[in-house]
Amino acid sequence: DGGITQSPKYLFRKEGQNVTLSCEQNLNHDAMYWYRQDPGQGLRLIYYSQIVNDFQKGDIAEGYSVSREKKESFPLTVTSAQKNPTAFYLCASSITPPGYTEAFFGQGTRLTVV
Amino acid sequence: RKEVEQDPGPFNVPEGATVAFNCTYSNSASQSFFWYRQDCRKEPKLLMSVYSSGNEDGRFTAQLNRASQYISLLIRDSKLSDSATYLCVVNYLSMEYGNKLVFGAGTILRVKS
Repeated sequence: DGGITQSPKYLFRKEGQNVTLSCEQNLNHDAMYWYRQDPGQGLRLIYYSQIVNDFQKGDIAEGYSVSREKKESFPLTVTSAQKNPTAFYLCASSITPPGYTEAFFGQGTRLTVV
Repeated sequence: RKEVEQDPGPFNVPEGATVAFNCTYSNSASQSFFWYRQDCRKEPKLLMSVYSSGNEDGRFTAQLNRASQYISLLIRDSKLSDSATYLCVVNYLSMEYGNKLVFGAGTILRVKS
């Protein structure tokens, strides 16, 4: 079945550590996105990528980094520079316009700093 | 000004009620529009796309007004299972930012028996 997979589902990080969240899709989508969601809040865009080896900062990129070496994969690293990383992280993918640009989401990763 | 704005609610309505949500967007280069539903602690899922002519899917009707830059979602005969957060999503393509999907903060709906 085609889809988008995030791992792990739950992640605990000690302060000062970098952690990497995985996002893989087999939908042959060019565009991929990372969002952060805090309790009771909407989705805020961290980074997005429209094509391999290219990505753009979203609204809250500070303290995060990404890479897009393969079409299928868009990992997100939460660095120690991110002061408040505890949140729900969602990865999504879509085709790029022109065309129907519905976004498909992974099940999310809940990151907690301990 | 936020790129996509929604009334956060919550909207508390009785079963069987009709409820409407609005969403405004700031970028006239916006191309595609969607409503997503998100249940507590889950990922968002597509509810429906929004077309210029308006579209209906059962009890749900979506409308787009490009001139005023807003989209709406109407839910008729509300069910308890409609309780969720409804997210407005706008996709736009620009020379500066490329292809970008922007979500509103969401509107909470609570349907009560």
